[in-house]
Amino acid sequence: EAGVAQSPRYKIIEKRQSVAFWCNPISGHATLYWYQQILGQGPKLLIQFQNNGVVDDSQLPKDRFSAERLKGVDSTLKIQPAKLEDSAVYLCASSTGTFSSTDTQYFGPGTRLTVL
Amino acid sequence: AQSVTQLDSQVPVFEEAPVELRCNYSSSVSVYLFWYVQYPNQGLQLLLKYLSGSTLVKGINGFEAEFNKSQTSFHLRKPSVHISDTAEYFCAVSKISGTYKYIFGTGTRLKVLA
Repeated sequence: EAGVAQSPRYKIIEKRQSVAFWCNPISGHATLYWYQQILGQGPKLLIQFQNNGVVDDSQLPKDRFSAERLKGVDSTLKIQPAKLEDSAVYLCASSTGTFSSTDTQYFGPGTRLTVL
Repeated sequence: AQSVTQLDSQVPVFEEAPVELRCNYSSSVSVYLFWYVQYPNQGLQLLLKYLSGSTLVKGINGFEAEFNKSQTSFHLRKPSVHISDTAEYFCAVSKISGTYKYIFGTGTRLKVLA
């Protein structure tokens, strides 16, 4: 079974530029998560999708961050414009979405963003 | 709201020695508890999880953790570590109802020395 795929693995941009990250979850997984992991901190949930609907985006900086999962499968996270403090690893995870005790999150390798 | 505290940011230990990584949590409702491991340049991998039942949970790679409700702790242990266990370890909690949102601790970097 293929795992969660993310691209690109690394990205370096100047502040005020735009950037987009792509995630393809495990096949059949209804729930998709985007996390931001700043160096020295644990992952912080940015947004959670159930199929193509948003379940939780309470910690997403909506003035500059946006995310979509139009067909309920893969997803794109965008930052526009980027700030220095956006430098982090962006992790995508997926789960079956049954919201039961067996619903484990599986993580992709992440995209490391550096904003100069 | 839930929170997770991992007091040790770094834990150095010699190969074949035992190790304990500490995790304490705070929550006004019942929670599920998880330990994830992150190897360099990789995503997070589930080590083990506590849902209910026996308070001693066994996971992959010889790790185990004990849930202590009175002390609100979920410490991770391994009786004998290997060089390959060098990684970052994260403790996480989620409510047992709702959207299963994870709250992660800040992580503990385990460095196994030869």
